[in-house]
Amino acid sequence: DQQVKQNSPSLSVQEGRISILNCDYTNSMFDYFLWYKKYPAEGPTFLISISSIKDKNEDGRFTVFLNKSAKHLSLHIVPSQPGDSAVYFCAAPTTDSWGKLQFGAGTQVVVTP
Amino acid sequence: GAGVSQSPSNKVTEKGKDVELRCDPISGHTALYWYRQSLGQGLEFLIYFQGNSAPDKSGLPSDRFSAERTGGSVSTLTIQRTQQEDSAVYLCASSFPAQGAQYFGPGTRLLVL
Repeated sequence: DQQVKQNSPSLSVQEGRISILNCDYTNSMFDYFLWYKKYPAEGPTFLISISSIKDKNEDGRFTVFLNKSAKHLSLHIVPSQPGDSAVYFCAAPTTDSWGKLQFGAGTQVVVTP
Repeated sequence: GAGVSQSPSNKVTEKGKDVELRCDPISGHTALYWYRQSLGQGLEFLIYFQGNSAPDKSGLPSDRFSAERTGGSVSTLTIQRTQQEDSAVYLCASSFPAQGAQYFGPGTRLLVL
């Protein structure tokens, strides 16, 4: 049962523009969300997180927005840089086991010059 | 400080053989996690440890898979009688307990011929 969904497998964006990555979830009990970035042949790298008590969290060029009523979160990258080209995963700890992260399928971002 | 390390980085084995994958977590992290990513798939939770005990091993695909952790540090994931469908990248992560962000190692790429 896939409770975290990323419906866009890929995104192409020009350097300097905004990248918007979307993630939907089905379990309203989720209270914490994370975004990871993954380069080929490397493990995922933690980027940014958000607690359900907030609707926005910002860290440098990365901002995550949470809309609980819509069960939707998004990651904004502004401005996009070539080094941002990677696969981005959203994730949430399951409600019955905090150690178990459920991941979305990922979105491949390509930043073009 | 040093990140999560995994060995070997690549492993090619024949169907039916046993393999052992190793993970060294970040020093001080008492929680340790195993995930795998099959080709074209998202990250799939396997098991996590708090100290040397495994509160959640619900993701282990079959009884051919086992994991242990000793001394609250190094963990090994063992796959017995490997099958071709076991081919995947096996990722290890660690964290402080009940902390949201898990920090991943580079993974072990397993290919079963």
